[in-house]
Amino acid sequence: NAGVTQTPKFQVLKTGQSMTLQCAQDMNHEYMSWYRQDPGMGLRLIHYSVGAGITDQGEVPNGYNVSRSTTEDFPLRLLSAAPSQTSVYFCASSLYNTGELFFGEGSRLTVL
Amino acid sequence: DAKTTQPNSMESNEEEPVHLPCNHSTISGTDYIHWYRQLPSQGPEYVIHGLTSNVNNRMASLAIAEDRKSSTLILHRATLRDAAVYYCIPGGDSNYQLIWGAGTKLIIKP
Repeated sequence: NAGVTQTPKFQVLKTGQSMTLQCAQDMNHEYMSWYRQDPGMGLRLIHYSVGAGITDQGEVPNGYNVSRSTTEDFPLRLLSAAPSQTSVYFCASSLYNTGELFFGEGSRLTVL
Repeated sequence: DAKTTQPNSMESNEEEPVHLPCNHSTISGTDYIHWYRQLPSQGPEYVIHGLTSNVNNRMASLAIAEDRKSSTLILHRATLRDAAVYYCIPGGDSNYQLIWGAGTKLIIKP
């Protein structure tokens, strides 16, 4: 199993540009989520999904959109990037709502 | 949500045991105590979790105080690969209610 795969690993955007961070898992997990991590801080939840077709907002959802059309994929879209969105983004999945979280290796985004 | 207090950083020698403390004095009766760690430039990885009793797995042991207001993650024999930030996170109903603090940066000296 590859686990949780995130692409791209690095990205530089200009203010106002849009992009999509991809996340895929091959463990047949129902639960998937996106977090951001700013320097020296813990993770903050952006959006999460409890199954295909179901998404919900986390702690810091503004400026981000998600959709979940398949069990395997959970892309995160930035419609109009802002410098405040410069961060490292992590995707995670779990088999259960309270089970062990499996994380991807992260995507480092810089917005100029 | 339970508030946690962890040291900002700790140092330990390679091949010695490490005890990482965590205070969670406002924890509710049904909250599990989760520990994750994050190696440099990687995503967090699960270490261990428990509710009331001490727990052991291949990575570590978790000692939970009788009043549940504190816990200690024990690495029995630290290696250089254990250098990471360790997060102590009380939570119960859902992974999506877990509050991630800044954790403890563990430095292992050769």
